[in-house]
Amino acid sequence: SQTIHQWPATLVQPVGSPLSLECTVEGTSNPNLYWYRQAAGRGLQLLFYSVGIGQISSEVPQNLSASRPQDRQFILSSKKLLLSDSGFYLCALMGEAYNEQFFGPGTRLTVL
Amino acid sequence: QKEVEQDPGPLSVPEGAIVSLNCTYSNSAFQYFMWYRQYSRKGPELLMYTYSSGNKEDGRFTAQVDKSSKYISLFIRDSQPSDSATYLCAMTSGGYQKVTFGTGTKLQVIP
Repeated sequence: SQTIHQWPATLVQPVGSPLSLECTVEGTSNPNLYWYRQAAGRGLQLLFYSVGIGQISSEVPQNLSASRPQDRQFILSSKKLLLSDSGFYLCALMGEAYNEQFFGPGTRLTVL
Repeated sequence: QKEVEQDPGPLSVPEGAIVSLNCTYSNSAFQYFMWYRQYSRKGPELLMYTYSSGNKEDGRFTAQVDKSSKYISLFIRDSQPSDSATYLCAMTSGGYQKVTFGTGTKLQVIP
């Protein structure tokens, strides 16, 4: 079965610092991968998705970027964090039946 | 107008009650409908899905889709304190199109 790992689980970073969040998946090959951000009262916001190594599509213009250096690795980065980057970051992969999304455990980011 | 509207709650019910959670949507192209349950500080987990209109039952949970009214529901029978969570509806038109999520309804089942 498919498993999604995310780390770290929680992170507190100062404004202006860099960010690197990692997502790795097991039990599947060539998955479609997604980064979402969940902010209080705002639901799930799709940030990036990737259909393969080196292929990244951005949904929302912002100071975040994503990379997919390996088939089962998806990385979310920032050079300089903003206060507004605080939130719960979720990595997801797409199921094979009907676009259903399976989510990882998430990383809670607080920018101070 | 948002593509998907969901009452944020919170919804507080006594243990054993029947719970009704609802979403409305505006995009008539949506064909696949999902419900996710999210416990505090955890990632959402897929609870149920339905395709097109109709009902689907899984234990104490029933998902209902009315495409003519653009309205979907999740019913929870004999609610338990362990059902206390945020429930998100989600939908997509399929064909590798992105999934659109509701903002979630927070449910608390009181023992």
